[in-house]
Amino acid sequence: GEDVEQSLFLSVREGDSSVINCTYTDSSSTYLYWYKQEPGAGLQLLTYIFSNMDMKQDQRLTVLLNKKDKHLSLRIADTQTGDSAIYFCAETANYGQNFVFGPGTRLSVLP
Amino acid sequence: NAGVMQNPRHLVRRRGQEARLRCSPMKGHSHVYWYRQLPEEGLKFMVYLQKENIIDESGMPKERFSAEFPKEGPSILRIQQVVRGDSAAYFCASSPPDRVEETQYFGPGTRLLVL
Repeated sequence: GEDVEQSLFLSVREGDSSVINCTYTDSSSTYLYWYKQEPGAGLQLLTYIFSNMDMKQDQRLTVLLNKKDKHLSLRIADTQTGDSAIYFCAETANYGQNFVFGPGTRLSVLP
Repeated sequence: NAGVMQNPRHLVRRRGQEARLRCSPMKGHSHVYWYRQLPEEGLKFMVYLQKENIIDESGMPKERFSAEFPKEGPSILRIQQVVRGDSAAYFCASSPPDRVEETQYFGPGTRLLVL
């Protein structure tokens, strides 16, 4: 089946930029997403990108997509302690019918 | 517009009992998805439903698990004769009938603990 991979842990200092990476195997992905999960909570959609785009910027968040390498990244500028959470990469190939999630990257922001 | 609602938020069951998890989608959403998150793992797709129809249940275990989304009322994920391995967080998501591809909106989850 299709697979989405992420590194499991990332630590950064407050004020630095964080870059969370994701690779996927499905060449027919249509949309790719980044979700944030805080402890004990559900998933909050941060941003998404259509597969024919290379980049999307939304305030402190920048998403880069390299479709050739099937690589997606999320950059968080000026990382704050409130950004500490698990970040999930997800993709769908069937126009939203079946989302495949990565294992999540646990971001720790150090003071 | 209230978000996706799930209840209960926490559910404790003994082995062999039944667990019923409820999901009320966002107003106007007719597509519901159920996911399971095992401890320290990502979300795994279980089932995708529209009103009165199961569209894709490829992620559902073949036995003990069932899901429905009736014409009226919430979507129900039912787990019969629960076992310890069923302990997980179960998330429901919904999306509107149009622009399905843009996103799914997630509920807060139901955390099931099987003793």
